[in-house]
Amino acid sequence: ETAVFQTPNYHVTQVGNEVSFNCKQTLGHDTMYWYKQDSKKLLKIMFSYNNKQLIVNETVPRRFSPQSSDKAHLNLRIKSVEPEDSAVYLCASSWTGVGEQYFGPGTRLTVL
Amino acid sequence: AQSVTQPDARVTVSEGASLQLRCKYSYFGTPYLFWYVQYPRQGLQLLLKYYPGDPVVQGVNGFEAEFSKSNSSFHLRKASVHWSDWAVYFCAVSITNTGKLTFGDGTVLTVKP
Repeated sequence: ETAVFQTPNYHVTQVGNEVSFNCKQTLGHDTMYWYKQDSKKLLKIMFSYNNKQLIVNETVPRRFSPQSSDKAHLNLRIKSVEPEDSAVYLCASSWTGVGEQYFGPGTRLTVL
Repeated sequence: AQSVTQPDARVTVSEGASLQLRCKYSYFGTPYLFWYVQYPRQGLQLLLKYYPGDPVVQGVNGFEAEFSKSNSSFHLRKASVHWSDWAVYFCAVSITNTGKLTFGDGTVLTVKP
């Protein structure tokens, strides 16, 4: 049963364009995350966010930014995409302080 | 800092055979440990979780895992593999009370008919 929703499923764009991905969770959780999964399936945390604190992985380029309207939504914006941004972006949610996270199906980005 | 190592990048087993996927963690405190599975073109799904207590935990679809503090391990097992178990399996550790997950690199499980 899907409780973390992501749109779009796929997105193809060209270098330099801006893209935005949406994530919504219906679990009532207070913390949300964005991960990047590369072609080798390696997972890298990009951001974690609750209504009090945004934690950014310091290796994430500045062209990436999270955007949240409320605790159920955390979108991801990429200001000017580059080829190395091609990946699957996974959104997740959890209760603060609890390691059990629930994941969405992912958005696959291809940058030409 | 905590870390997770999955020594086997790929494992191939025959359908009906038993399975063990290895996971070693590094953390000086009390770890919370997880196994996630990722089926093709899907997100990660929680298979099972270990919170301090019984070292053997049961998960979905016949999976179980055993925590060993002395070996710093949390290996995943299944008695009889089904073709639908073909997927990527991730082990993860969480620092107590922070919620942050550190994932291993994953193990690709291939099931032969």
